[in-house]
Amino acid sequence: KQEVTQIPAALSVPEGENLVLNCSFTDSAIYNLQWFRQDPGKGLTSLLLIQSSQREQTSGRLNASLDKSSGRSTLYIAASQPGDSATYLCAVFSNDYKLSFGAGTTVTVRA
Amino acid sequence: NAGVTQTPKFQVLKTGQSMTLQCAQDMNHEYMSWYRQDPGMGLRLIHYSVGAGITDQGEVPNGYNVSRSTTEDFPLRLLSAAPSQTSVYFCAVVIRGGNEQFFGPGTRLTVL
Repeated sequence: KQEVTQIPAALSVPEGENLVLNCSFTDSAIYNLQWFRQDPGKGLTSLLLIQSSQREQTSGRLNASLDKSSGRSTLYIAASQPGDSATYLCAVFSNDYKLSFGAGTTVTVRA
Repeated sequence: NAGVTQTPKFQVLKTGQSMTLQCAQDMNHEYMSWYRQDPGMGLRLIHYSVGAGITDQGEVPNGYNVSRSTTEDFPLRLLSAAPSQTSVYFCAVVIRGGNEQFFGPGTRLTVL
């Protein structure tokens, strides 16, 4: 059974600081890893998708890395802004067609 | 949201009542799934389907039934609602090719 862990559970930083969010998973037999953003009371917005054969993906200020052999992914958000405040979820799509989520990291960016 | 719709947006039930949460998509995605989200527990997979006529259980299937008679629809049925089923329910599809998952807007269910 795939287990996905996200550390830290919560993070508070001043505006402009870079954010580093960590995700680890126990089974390396995966199709891909996906990072989502969720605002309070809202749905999930897909941020980045990394295929199992890839090492990283970038979109604007966001960069996600994947080390499948060690079961780790890191989401970097450069030059954080108050609008980046949200919960960030890591999800692993395994070879058994199941998506497993971490509990999320809640980010607060202070103006 | 890759054409994923969910109805209703909100629902309040009494213990023992039954209801069906609807999920529909109009882009011919084969893979559809249901998740529930509870505070502090993240999202957990309830049931999933890799195509019409095929369904399988996820991590927390007890108390829920699904069917997939068409590609477009994947309803989730609660036969006898319990307070433990109070949650936010999300339907998702997988985009063919890259296997990226897109989620519907969610249904907030309260069981009294």
